[in-house]
Amino acid sequence: ELKVEQNPLFLSMQEGKNYTIYCNYSTTSDRLYWYRQDPGKSLESLFVLLSNGAVKQEGRLMASLDTKARLSTLHITAAVHDLSATYFCAVARGETSGSRLTFGEGTQLTVNP
Amino acid sequence: GAVVSQHPSWVICKSGTSVKIECRSLDFQATTMFWYRQFPKQSLMLMATSNEGSKATYEQGVEKDKFLINHASLTLSTLTVTSAHPEDSSFYICTPRDGSTEAFFGQGTRLTVV
Repeated sequence: ELKVEQNPLFLSMQEGKNYTIYCNYSTTSDRLYWYRQDPGKSLESLFVLLSNGAVKQEGRLMASLDTKARLSTLHITAAVHDLSATYFCAVARGETSGSRLTFGEGTQLTVNP
Repeated sequence: GAVVSQHPSWVICKSGTSVKIECRSLDFQATTMFWYRQFPKQSLMLMATSNEGSKATYEQGVEKDKFLINHASLTLSTLTVTSAHPEDSSFYICTPRDGSTEAFFGQGTRLTVV
């Protein structure tokens, strides 16, 4: 059974600081997704990482994937209040595109002024 | 990104009644549909998977007779919660997939059963 673990589950940080959210998964997969969820809303796609060593950046967020270590990271640079949300990683189960996603527990990020 | 339309965005119903949630892929053909459920402060849990024209496959612990899924076309799938009870109150989210690597989600439906 595929297990996906995120840490930390709760993160309170000050504006301007850097931090990293970690996502570990238990079985082989080469597709990893990061999503953002605001309270009461659905998921917003942030990144899709498709291969070992993949790195993607958008604004203050950067995601990376190490398939050998079964680890993905979401790095936050110089956090701002608008980044406050819950962040989920999800791992695709199966060899083909379109397969089911298994989600981590989510990391609730609060950025304080 | 792909356009996914899910309705209604919220619904309140009385215990014992049924509620239908629609999920449409507006600019692509969804060969597979995933339905997730999210309880407050929790992650998303897969309920069922359906392929167009086929019966849905339900995850362990999800009652197939209670959560009826219809995926009759490549652009529309419905989830009907039958004989709803307060414990069915949750956030239901659909993900239509066309075999590409991207995975976009519907806007979600907040169901409250009173």
